[in-house]
Amino acid sequence: GDSVTQMEGPVTLSEEAFLTINCTYTATGYPSLFWYVQYPGEGLQLLLKATKADDKGSNKGFEATYRKETTSFHLEKGSVQVSDSAVYFCALRHQGGSEKLVFGKGTKLTVNP
Amino acid sequence: AAGVIQSPRHLIKEKRETATLKCYPIPRHDTVYWYQQGPGQDPQFLISFYEKMQSDKGSIPDRFSAQQFSDYHSELNMSSLELGDSALYFCASSLSNTHEQFFGPGTRLTVL
Repeated sequence: GDSVTQMEGPVTLSEEAFLTINCTYTATGYPSLFWYVQYPGEGLQLLLKATKADDKGSNKGFEATYRKETTSFHLEKGSVQVSDSAVYFCALRHQGGSEKLVFGKGTKLTVNP
Repeated sequence: AAGVIQSPRHLIKEKRETATLKCYPIPRHDTVYWYQQGPGQDPQFLISFYEKMQSDKGSIPDRFSAQQFSDYHSELNMSSLELGDSALYFCASSLSNTHEQFFGPGTRLTVL
């Protein structure tokens, strides 16, 4: 079945450091890919998405590119802030059929001043 | 902009009791999803509804049932609660044929 694997955390960075959180997926066909962010005590917020190969999703300085050849959707940000501290989930949604989201295990990011 | 509303936000129950969680989707959204997130875990899909009909079913225990009503709100009914049911329960809604699910703030269920 479909699955998402993302790098295990926790990840601790200093403010203004470069961030990469790796995400790879296994799926048949052409899933849509997402990054969700969960701040402490809150629900899931969509951070960015990509619906087809080579699409780049971007939001709030975060980027991720849908790479079909490597089945990857790595999250990057050039300069993190303390306010970016949260748990980040990579997810896929299979095209057609089930519309459910399949999530990775989540990566906890802590950014120190 | 209107968001997904879930109630209650927090719920404490004893073992073997029942619980009902409610979800009010974003206006005009026709699809509702329920997810369960255990402590430190990723969200797991439970069940979804499209136009008041069940559209998909995931790892939902037989003790749980859900439905979507004519006004598109949905309820997740949980019976014979177990300690392991303690989790954050998210509802999400979407407009069919789009790629984006909008999540509510979740209901934190604690079973004692």
